[in-house]
Amino acid sequence: ETGVTQTPRHLVMGMTNKKSLKCEQHLGHNAMYWYKQSAKKPLELMFVYNFKEQTENNSVPSRFSPECPNSSHLFLHLHTLQPEDSALYLCASSHYLSPGREQFFGPGTRLTVL
Amino acid sequence: GQQLNQSPQSMFIQEGEDVSMNCTSSSIFNTWLWYKQDPGEGPVLLIALYKAGELTSNGRLTAQFGITRKDSFLNISASIPSDVGIYFCAGQGTSYDKVIFGPGTSLSVIP
Repeated sequence: ETGVTQTPRHLVMGMTNKKSLKCEQHLGHNAMYWYKQSAKKPLELMFVYNFKEQTENNSVPSRFSPECPNSSHLFLHLHTLQPEDSALYLCASSHYLSPGREQFFGPGTRLTVL
Repeated sequence: GQQLNQSPQSMFIQEGEDVSMNCTSSSIFNTWLWYKQDPGEGPVLLIALYKAGELTSNGRLTAQFGITRKDSFLNISASIPSDVGIYFCAGQGTSYDKVIFGPGTSLSVIP
């Protein structure tokens, strides 16, 4: 595997379910990101991890819980979501403090909350 | 907070035509990035710019870092159907700042 991978690619869940999104990067990067992309809206940064430490939480509701066990893996745990949480969830990685922090994105998980 | 504006929001062009789009900011950036997103996929980095006035090409794509450091431009020459997608600009101040993404320009190419 190369680049940034995300699983699952598609997920349908009820509001009472608990599920997790997984992201893995094979680029040797040390920063990882979760973004939410809703229709007709700019990319919304959710969380940033640098060297496994969370450095940014962009006022994300607690029903989204990130986990970064090491620099290559990032999870987003989901519980009691709302229909408005349906969106494409993108993971990205970069070198910490590289000029421009050029971020490389995974293909995303298309989440539908019923 | 910092915001980026992209124009146009969407464009429909004939195959073979050249395309121009731009990105503007009220803040100064030290880095500009251009991404393309195909339907159902994540954004892919096309071009990165690090210096005011810099002009960089990637195949048929050319991007420029505006002299004021508040804007950037992307041109696509001789468009082809696979150029269809959403083009995002992104800017960053210092290396410690988060990257800000624009709302995107949606490009459709008519064969």
